[in-house]
Amino acid sequence: DTGVSQNPRHKITKRGQNVTFRCDPISEHNRLYWYRQTLGQGPEFLTYFQNEAQLEKSRLLSDRFSAERPKGSFSTLEIQRTEQGDSAMYLCASSPDRPNSNQPQHFGDGTRLSIL
Amino acid sequence: AQSVTQLGSHVSVSEGALVLLRCNYSSSVPPYLFWYVQYPNQGLQLLLKYTSAATLVKGINGFEAEFKKSETSFHLTKPSAHMSDAAEYFCAVNAGGTSYGKLTFGQGTILTVHP
Repeated sequence: DTGVSQNPRHKITKRGQNVTFRCDPISEHNRLYWYRQTLGQGPEFLTYFQNEAQLEKSRLLSDRFSAERPKGSFSTLEIQRTEQGDSAMYLCASSPDRPNSNQPQHFGDGTRLSIL
Repeated sequence: AQSVTQLGSHVSVSEGALVLLRCNYSSSVPPYLFWYVQYPNQGLQLLLKYTSAATLVKGINGFEAEFKKSETSFHLTKPSAHMSDAAEYFCAVNAGGTSYGKLTFGQGTILTVHP
């Protein structure tokens, strides 16, 4: 168990640029989640995959955001035409695939995005 | 719909004192409840979880929480605070059913421990 890995840890970019983050979940975990955390707030759910299928998207995920998990392993989150309000910590989590939803999510250390 | 309210954005205790972090939840179905801890510039680490097996849940680092359905609460406690407990703590709810997988978090409580 090597844990959830996120890259890069920090990203600084100019407003209007596109950015892409990567998340590598724990290898046997079928579920993968993306959250966004702004300063002083708790994480907010963005989207969720089971294997390669994206099963739920939050209203927070505007048209500028897209997430993929093409082979059911790693996932990418892309933000197009970044805005100041996109500055946040983007957290990835994964969990095992079990019938019940009580399996805890394991979180990565996040990617901190700063928009200049 | 589900929600979590953490009472007190900041809690300060002396080393060795009781830690009490408050969490109230709202859920239309029997909830699964979690406490996570976050250290600066890191992700979230699971402290403990409630999954209906027992109302008093013991977690790591000496923390425990009690599920009280009548009060819709899931407060986190530790008998004796340690300096290393200083961090931000988040309560989260997973309502299960069609919303399984998604966690709804409270706004967090920053715990400060004084020598």
